[in-house]
Amino acid sequence: SQELEQSPQSLIVQEGKNLTINCTSSKTLYGLYWYKQKYGEGLIFLMMLQKGGEEKSHEKITAKLDEKKQQSSLHITASQPSHAGIYLCGAGRDDKIIFGKGTRLHILP
Amino acid sequence: DVKVTQSSRYLVKRTGEKVFLECVQDMDHENMFWYRQDPGLGLRLIYFSYDVKMKEKGDIPEGYSVSREKKERFSLILESASTNQTSMYLCASSFSRNIPSNQPQHFGDGTRLSIL
Repeated sequence: SQELEQSPQSLIVQEGKNLTINCTSSKTLYGLYWYKQKYGEGLIFLMMLQKGGEEKSHEKITAKLDEKKQQSSLHITASQPSHAGIYLCGAGRDDKIIFGKGTRLHILP
Repeated sequence: DVKVTQSSRYLVKRTGEKVFLECVQDMDHENMFWYRQDPGLGLRLIYFSYDVKMKEKGDIPEGYSVSREKKERFSLILESASTNQTSMYLCASSFSRNIPSNQPQHFGDGTRLSIL
């Protein structure tokens, strides 16, 4: 089974609405990364979380790592068309990153 | 800002050809990685390198090789291209394995490779 599970796999929201994407690990997370990918392009690094309970923000995107360090959530406030794309979480493992399969986000005007 | 440059955005090759995908980073990073990305399978690690002349197999190295003659350049080679190697290929780099804290990887724009 996949070490990192993302939910939902796909999300369609109306512009202006808030949304949350979850990333759950079967192992303790020692470094959790969030990336965004526009369709057909490379991954853009958003933020990294390391400590249980840590929360970081990047523009209107906020991510949090839970206290037990096995789940992270990414929250977008007042979504905009520019937020559309694929969001991937990644777990640090021995200088490598194990990625989830991603969440496809569509924003309806 | 870190800049990771992949030589081609789109590439079309024929079955049996030897294919070279080039990746260059400008931030003196020690670690470099090659992934392929396929629908439903996500990102899969092909090869990675922690230093010049060093290479390590990732999860799916079969049918591929790599070359790292200079620190800034990491090449992926398809020895004899096959149709099942049609994919999006992504190169990434990160700072150093000798720094104990986790470090993000920085990605290029990707190469969409089609093998006919």
